[in-house]
Amino acid sequence: ETGVTQTPRHLVMGMTNKKSLKCEQHLGHNAMYWYKQSAKKPLELMFVYSLEERVENNSVPSRFSPECPNSSHLFLHLHTLQPEDSALYLCASSQAAGATYGYTFGSGTRLTVV
Amino acid sequence: DAKTTQPNSMESNEEEPVHLPCNHSTISGTDYIHWYRQLPSQGPEYVIHGLTSNVNNRMASLAIAEDRKSSTLILHRATLRDAAVYYCILRDSYTNAGKSTFGDGTTLTVKP
Repeated sequence: ETGVTQTPRHLVMGMTNKKSLKCEQHLGHNAMYWYKQSAKKPLELMFVYSLEERVENNSVPSRFSPECPNSSHLFLHLHTLQPEDSALYLCASSQAAGATYGYTFGSGTRLTVV
Repeated sequence: DAKTTQPNSMESNEEEPVHLPCNHSTISGTDYIHWYRQLPSQGPEYVIHGLTSNVNNRMASLAIAEDRKSSTLILHRATLRDAAVYYCILRDSYTNAGKSTFGDGTTLTVKP
């Protein structure tokens, strides 16, 4: 257990479904991130939150909608996804958003869109 | 974003040192060099990071070239548990988000 917990671990959803991924950390970190890891592609940064404010949106389609209600929780709301959105979605946190701090990653949610 | 280049794969024998290279010829003065590793079915794990000087911690050492265009992650005595994909990334300290770009990484195989 790394200190960053992601649920669910696996998710299968249809293209018309709406689902949410949850991430939780109790490390006292002030920055949280969503990354996407597709097969045979590098990790892609999706969103960055610092002190509950979004500071980075890396050209992610609007069918992915992040929410950060407090510094310990991060959600990724999903709707009308495409099969190519199937991937491992990783949440990470760091003490602050700056480059001087390392990430702590969760184990990820393996998403399959059918 | 500045990119990194790493060999696709490397092999090592157990209990021997491993030197994992990374080239980042377009690094900017504000980029930090971070290393992570990822085991199958897990998220990446932080290993070490640095800016200009060499760094040591309980997991590894990071040697940074004087011109900062390359770096080397050193595992002093490889164990079977060190078999993983190792990522060298640059994180931009100029932006508030500390934006980073991951590459394909190096798959390290450790032979008993």
